[in-house]
Amino acid sequence: SAVISQKPSRDICQRGTSLTIQCQVDSQVTMMFWYRQQPGQSLTLIATANQGSEATYESGFVIDKFPISRPNLTFSTLTVSNMSPEDSSIYLCSVQGYYEQYFGPGTRLTVT
Amino acid sequence: TQLLEQSPQFLSIQEGENLTVYCNSSSVFSSLQWYRQEPGEGPVLLVTVVTGGEVKKLKRLTFQFGDARKDSSLHITAAQPGDTGLYLCAGGGGSYIPTFGRGTSLIVHP
Repeated sequence: SAVISQKPSRDICQRGTSLTIQCQVDSQVTMMFWYRQQPGQSLTLIATANQGSEATYESGFVIDKFPISRPNLTFSTLTVSNMSPEDSSIYLCSVQGYYEQYFGPGTRLTVT
Repeated sequence: TQLLEQSPQFLSIQEGENLTVYCNSSSVFSSLQWYRQEPGEGPVLLVTVVTGGEVKKLKRLTFQFGDARKDSSLHITAAQPGDTGLYLCAGGGGSYIPTFGRGTSLIVHP
C-alpha cells in the first residue's frame, strides 16, 4: 500500500487565478495519476505523470490548462490555470499498486 | 475503450436492510476493484477480485466476480449508517489505467 498526502485540502480561489496542488507519496512510484471528481460522482482521469517524462493527458485536458510536474519518484504537482467556476471540483492524486490504486484525500477547489 | 456500467446510481435505505450494487461491462477485465469513498476523503480500496467466479467476504460485504470476468456485484447484509458512502467499481489494473464505474451513492438511515 501507499500513503498519500495532498496540499491544500481545500481552497477558494478567484476567477482567472491559478492554484498548484501538491501530492506526496511515502514510497517511490513510477506512475502517478491526477483525477477530477464532482462530489458524489465518479472519477475523471486528467493525466498520467511519469517521472522524467512529459505527462500524458486524457482527451479534453490540455497541458496549458493543467500543467503537471513530476520532479522525483515521490512527488508531483498539478496546477489549475486561469481558473473559472467550471473548474470547481475535487482533485485527487493516486498511485498504482499491483492491481489497485491508492488515493490521496483530495483537494476541494471552489472558484468564485 | 472499456466501459463499466454501475447500478444503481443512488440508494437510500433503512438500517438493517440488504442491498446489492452491480458493475457490468461487455469487456473482460483482468481484475476488478471495489472502493468506498466518504465525504472529504479519497476512495479506499475494499477488495480486488481476479479470478472468474471468485467470491470474497469482508464482514457484512460480499463481493463476487462473474465467471466471464465481465461483471461483479457487491452485496451488503444488514446495512448500517457507517456503510454510507460512494461505492466505486474499477476494472483493469496492472499495466493498464483502470476504468471506473459511475459510482453508487449509498445512504443508510438509522
